[in-house]
Amino acid sequence: GQQVMQIPQYQHVQEGEDFTTYCNSSTTLSNIQWYKQRPGGHPVFLIQLVKSGEVKKQKRLTFQFGEAKKNSSLHITATQTTDVGTYFCAGKGGSEKLVFGKGTKLTVNP
Amino acid sequence: NAGVTQTPKFQVLKTGQSMTLQCAQDMNHEYMSWYRQDPGMGLRLIHYSVGAGITDQGEVPNGYNVSRSTTEDFPLRLLSAAPSQTSVYFCASTPGGFPDTQYFGPGTRLTVL
Repeated sequence: GQQVMQIPQYQHVQEGEDFTTYCNSSTTLSNIQWYKQRPGGHPVFLIQLVKSGEVKKQKRLTFQFGEAKKNSSLHITATQTTDVGTYFCAGKGGSEKLVFGKGTKLTVNP
Repeated sequence: NAGVTQTPKFQVLKTGQSMTLQCAQDMNHEYMSWYRQDPGMGLRLIHYSVGAGITDQGEVPNGYNVSRSTTEDFPLRLLSAAPSQTSVYFCASTPGGFPDTQYFGPGTRLTVL
């Protein structure tokens, strides 16, 4: 079945450093979504990408969807302590099922 | 709107006991899903529903039952709890269409002894 792999599993940065998490699917995706989960909280939707090669920005966050629609990345510029949490990608292939990556846990040292 | 609500927030069961995790949404969303979250495993889909009366299995359905008699409610039943079902359970709903946002409930932390 469809698999979504996400790396790295953990990332520790100093405040002000950049951060990137990568997501790769075993199959072509119709769309990919990104979620953020704060410690002790629930996942919160950040963005959805649909088009091949799509790039979207939300303030310091940049999201990319690969040309082959099998990979994606989330890049945070100049991290802040408020960025702490686990970032998940989730891909939808040909079915209604959304498959989540295992997430990247980001910690930020002030 | 309350969004997606889940009860209880915490639950401790003994092996073999049964229970129902409740999930309700007041956004008139057609799609609802149940996920479990284990350390290092991300979110795994248990069951989902594309509308009242329609349910289907996800990635890890064994040991769980669901039903969808109304648009608002999507309960998850554990038939005979096992320690392997110790996890955090999230219910989510989505309106479908674009964007296909999943709105998650606050979760239920379940421990099976």
